[in-house]
Amino acid sequence: AQKITQTQPGMFVQEKEAVTLDCTYDTSDQSYGLFWYKQPSSGEMIFLIYQGSYDEQNATEGRYSLNFQKARKSANLVISASQLGDSAMYFCAMRGTQGGSEKLVFGKGTKLTVNP
Amino acid sequence: KAGVTQTPRYLIKTRGQQVTLSCSPISGHRSVSWYQQTPGQGLQFLFEYFSETQRNKGNFPGRFSGRQFSNSRSEMNVSTLELGDSALYLCASSPSGITLSYEQYFGPGTRLTVT
Repeated sequence: AQKITQTQPGMFVQEKEAVTLDCTYDTSDQSYGLFWYKQPSSGEMIFLIYQGSYDEQNATEGRYSLNFQKARKSANLVISASQLGDSAMYFCAMRGTQGGSEKLVFGKGTKLTVNP
Repeated sequence: KAGVTQTPRYLIKTRGQQVTLSCSPISGHRSVSWYQQTPGQGLQFLFEYFSETQRNKGNFPGRFSGRQFSNSRSEMNVSTLELGDSALYLCASSPSGITLSYEQYFGPGTRLTVT
């Protein structure tokens, strides 16, 4: 069964510093996708970044980068130059196959607080 | 372009009742997915619809059902409500035909409270 583990319930970072949010996954699929979403207090989920299991290069999107280490089954999110608006819940998710059906599995999330 | 809209935004129901939630995707999007978010279980995938057909399904009991109309609008129904069904229900739409595409745009959610 697919599983996503986010071991950091909460993280604090100073404005303008970089922060890494951890995500490890477990799957027996050969082909899968890894996502990071941001959920501000307003509740809407915002897609940040995606990494396919066959992608050789780490994904980057502006200030977001995904540190993909396939052998270690980790997909950490790195946010550079943190901004106050980055304070939110962050969810790691994986698309995989289970019981003949594709599904998205989410981690429990990490609450990031950016301090001025 | 208008975003994903969900109605109602808040709902209070009594145990044993049934409820229908609505999701209108972004214009032109044909895929709609539903998710349940609770403090205890976190975010869980319910199902995905594409072109009026359920394409994928999560591990939820048969009390949870959905459908998609020809205009891509989707409804989710929960019958015989239980206290544990209290949650934020999120809907996401995607322009891609790829199943569970990363290019999903989420709505603000419907907050369901079961008493």
